Amino acid sequence: EVQLVESGGGLVQPGRSLKLSCLASGFTFSNYGMNWIRQAPGKGLEWVASISSSSSYIYYADTVKGRFTISRDNAKNTLYLQMTSLRSEDTALYYCARRPGYNSWGQGTLVTVSS
Amino acid sequence: DIVMTQAPLSVSVTPGESASISCRSSKSLLHSNGITYVYWYLQKPGKSPQLLIYRMSNLASGVPDRFSGSGSETDFTLKISRVEAEDVGIYYCGQLLENPDTFGAGTKLELK
Repeated sequence: EVQLVESGGGLVQPGRSLKLSCLASGFTFSNYGMNWIRQAPGKGLEWVASISSSSSYIYYADTVKGRFTISRDNAKNTLYLQMTSLRSEDTALYYCARRPGYNSWGQGTLVTVSS
Repeated sequence: DIVMTQAPLSVSVTPGESASISCRSSKSLLHSNGITYVYWYLQKPGKSPQLLIYRMSNLASGVPDRFSGSGSETDFTLKISRVEAEDVGIYYCGQLLENPDTFGAGTKLELK
């Protein structure tokens, strides 16, 4: 069974940093592109970042470019999202999701940016 | 960016009846390979989104065949026949043709 388990969320002050993790199991992690998608409270889905299976291709939403870094460790079956210079508008539930088609999602980890 | 516009924003359906949700893209989602890169997701209350339909008309694994997807290059429809209580939630269309991936605002399905 495919499982994606996010962790690392929490309450953080504006301007500070946070690193999210997504531990994958039940499939060969190194064969799949992965993504971070977020959902602000009561809002819809917003794609944040993508990384290809071998990390050769990486893309970011304009709203996070220059502040967030997506990475992966295929040996540890883990996807990461390093978030810096956090803003209140980054407050959201952050999901990791597997390509193609976002056919599997984690349960999400909540990031709250507030002073 | 490709804009995905869903309608209606909410729909109320009697159990056993059918429901249709529309989604329109601001650009053709038909790739030169013949695949149309529109996807449908359901987010049940308090849960993560789940894939229902991929590449416009393909049923995802484990999804009941009461769900179906259809459309053209820019206009798409998700149909749910014989709506059940477990179908309640927010339905999102999304395009994965080009970066950035974008989603519609969502359609909330409730039961009468």
